[in-house]
Amino acid sequence: GALVYQYPRRTICKSGTSMRMECQAVGFQATSVAWYRQSPQKTFELIALSTVNSAIKYEQNFTQEKFPISHPNLSFSSMTVLNAYLEDRGLYLCGARRDRVAGQLYFGEGSKLTVL
Amino acid sequence: GQQVQQSPSSLVLQEGENAELQCNFSSTATQLQWFYQSPGGSLVSLLSNPSGTKHTGRLTSTTVTKERRSSLHISSSQTTDSGTYLCAIDTGGADRLTFGKGTQLIIQP
Repeated sequence: GALVYQYPRRTICKSGTSMRMECQAVGFQATSVAWYRQSPQKTFELIALSTVNSAIKYEQNFTQEKFPISHPNLSFSSMTVLNAYLEDRGLYLCGARRDRVAGQLYFGEGSKLTVL
Repeated sequence: GQQVQQSPSSLVLQEGENAELQCNFSSTATQLQWFYQSPGGSLVSLLSNPSGTKHTGRLTSTTVTKERRSSLHISSSQTTDSGTYLCAIDTGGADRLTFGKGTQLIIQP
């Protein structure tokens, strides 16, 4: 089956510090990874789309300077939240597209960020 | 922009009853997925169903593309089905999903 693991599940950090989260695809090749954030109010925002060997595409209101992403191979992606503040709180989810199976994203368990 | 509306916002049923969840969207979707989100936050992909009817286990999804609506039917509900069910459609690429606000399902024993 298609499994996506995320680490860490939860992080509490002080304002102005940074948090790195990892996304691991198991059992399939993830040629693209989408990073989302679910706010405390439960709304979803797409942060960026990352494809191996292609430029990472950030959505409006999200930048590489704030959310640098690394996607070095078909099974791993990481994203860092730099200088985290209250507005960065939420559940960060990575969705991996399973190679050769069009249109379906498999999500990890999410990395919950709490900022004090 | 693309809008996804789910109804009802919450649903309380007794164990064994069937659940019917609705998803309406504002423009044509080339991809539609139903997800289950656990209280802990994990998103589980249930069905990918851009058109027609699909079954898996106790779940049935029917999407009528030209009417821009989809439904998720859960038969013989169990307490472990409790959680939030999300409908999401693509907005120009299979990875760019727009999510609805979800239906919170509570199954009582």
